[in-house]
Amino acid sequence: AQRVTQPEKLLSVFKGAPVELKCNYSYSGSPELFWYVQYSRQRLQLLLRHISRESIKGFTADLNKGETSFHLKKPFAQEEDSAMYYCALSGKGGSEKLVFGKGTKLTVNP
Amino acid sequence: GAGVSQTPSNKVTEKGKYVELRCDPISGHTALYWYRQSLGQGPEFLIYFQGTGAADDSGLPNDRFFAVRPEGSVSTLKIQRTERGDSAVYLCASSLSGGYNEQFFGPGTRLTVL
Repeated sequence: AQRVTQPEKLLSVFKGAPVELKCNYSYSGSPELFWYVQYSRQRLQLLLRHISRESIKGFTADLNKGETSFHLKKPFAQEEDSAMYYCALSGKGGSEKLVFGKGTKLTVNP
Repeated sequence: GAGVSQTPSNKVTEKGKYVELRCDPISGHTALYWYRQSLGQGPEFLIYFQGTGAADDSGLPNDRFFAVRPEGSVSTLKIQRTERGDSAVYLCASSLSGGYNEQFFGPGTRLTVL
């Protein structure tokens, strides 16, 4: 079964502090992993994906196949990072539908 | 350019009624997806179109839900005999050609069934 688990519903940090949003997945095979973000009153948008190996807005995510994790990290959080973050996976060779976790609400305090 | 648009933005209906939700994808995007997001949950996949055909409808919860994309562009999600449990935000996304191309999401339609 395909499943994405985000264990933290809420995460609160202070500006300038490091932040890590956890994501674990279950998939028989090698999925593609994504992080989507939804800022207040905006639509869901792609933040980064494993296949691109990019760093977007200072965020990075490393795929750990042994631990089946894809945690999102940023060394110095900014207030504008406050948003809802969703981890998602997509299987290969199928419809490439996204399977989402329940999301983590990140609040960066001044 | 214009992003994915969805109409209406809000829909309130009574239990048992029929509703239609519309999605206008980004021009040129052949892949179109519908997701449903209930309160406190992440989006859940409903159906995927590649062109005019439904390539994967495994996420439709039951036969009250149906979606069409007759000309390979605009799509309509149809819900018959609505139930209170259908209340959710319905999201539409489109991508260039499926695969791992980025899915661009619309603003969603908030459906409330009284």
